[in-house]
Amino acid sequence: GAVVSQHPSWVICKSGTSVKIECRSLDFQATTMFWYRQFPKQSLMLMATSNEGSKATYEQGVEKDKFLINHASLTLSTLTVTSAHPEDSSFYICSAIPAGLAGATQYFGPGTRLTVL
Amino acid sequence: GENVEQHPSTLSVQEGDSAVIKCTYSDSASNYFPWYKQELGKGPQLIIDIRSNVGEKKDQRIAVTLNKTAKHFSLHITETQPEDSAVYFCAASGQAGTALIFGKGTTLSVSS
Repeated sequence: GAVVSQHPSWVICKSGTSVKIECRSLDFQATTMFWYRQFPKQSLMLMATSNEGSKATYEQGVEKDKFLINHASLTLSTLTVTSAHPEDSSFYICSAIPAGLAGATQYFGPGTRLTVL
Repeated sequence: GENVEQHPSTLSVQEGDSAVIKCTYSDSASNYFPWYKQELGKGPQLIIDIRSNVGEKKDQRIAVTLNKTAKHFSLHITETQPEDSAVYFCAASGQAGTALIFGKGTTLSVSS
């Protein structure tokens, strides 16, 4: 149980275009999902906290108008990278916490590799 | 805010040896400490976690110890195997539902 999927697993786009990444909890409901970014050989850096039915909370230094997050249902959160540039190329990973369970265990998706040309 | 330090950054061991990775955290309010294993090109996989009301937890070859007074926790892998080779991350968080703050990771290499 507790499987999180991401789609697509990798994407290549041209500079200036927008890319949408989906994060789904397959066998549980998640009121809270998180989006992380990971550059090569570095750790995971939290970008934003996504709560179902409300606006996302962004970490300092993360542009909310560039990284649009929508948590429209208890099983789906989306991250849209708008007007992508080469410096946005990274590994984007989401995680989810099962709703209604005590504790803070997070389950991570497999990640999405974004390459902006 | 919380800050997590992780050491060493790289660790090379022979198959069958033990490996120990250590982390310290800054926020005394943190009460959940998971460890993740990440293979190249994949998302992190939870391997073990510990909560602040427990000092030690073991799962087969993997164990985690927590010292809340000193604010540090450690991952112990015994009888290492080549398939244990990966990047390991420690993390810390406070109350349920809050985000994890990760250490910088340890690249473990197990040679046969």
